[in-house]
Amino acid sequence: AQSVTQLGSHVSVSEGALVLLRCNYSSSVPPYLFWYVQYPNQGLQLLLKYTSAATLVKGINGFEAEFKKSETSFHLTKPSAHMSDAAEYFCAVSGEETSGSRLTFGEGTQLTVNP
Amino acid sequence: DAGITQSPRYKITETGRQVTLMCHQTWSHSYMFWYRQDLGHGLRLIYYSAAADITDKGEVPDGYVVSRSKTENFPLTLESATRSQTSVYFCATKRQHGYTFGSGTRLTVV
Repeated sequence: AQSVTQLGSHVSVSEGALVLLRCNYSSSVPPYLFWYVQYPNQGLQLLLKYTSAATLVKGINGFEAEFKKSETSFHLTKPSAHMSDAAEYFCAVSGEETSGSRLTFGEGTQLTVNP
Repeated sequence: DAGITQSPRYKITETGRQVTLMCHQTWSHSYMFWYRQDLGHGLRLIYYSAAADITDKGEVPDGYVVSRSKTENFPLTLESATRSQTSVYFCATKRQHGYTFGSGTRLTVV
């Protein structure tokens, strides 16, 4: 079984401040981990993914995430928030063939960026 | 353009009616998925398919039916729509470690 917990359904930061969105996962097999962003009335866009290579993953728009096996975490960070970062962010885990390659999502974190 | 297309984009239907949401990919990805998105629940898997004529239930399959006679199409049917099926529905495909999502269908059941 696999699951994802995103800590904090709403996160608010000031423009220029650090963005930290938390994600913890549970997986019975080595996981593949993903962060997606969703802007209002749009689909999901992949920010970055971890597929058992480097533990620090760099994505688009200045985001990065670090895979920490000992903490079962995959937190998303960005050093300096921009107004355009306001969106909903989803963490997801895939256990590959043992779970039919399905993606299991967290409940999402709404990021607000204040001027 | 290559990609994944969902139709319709918006749909309003009445309780008890049958409605089919369409999903088409221009690649030949084996895996396809249907998710629903509801506030407070994130995205939940309804059904998925590993190949043509192979489908399996996900987390919330009740009230839905799928078929996959061709690799490129994966329609989702609500046999008798209920208000609880009001949601945004996303289709997705998988290739290696990448998942691509369609733009979604916003379904309202009145």
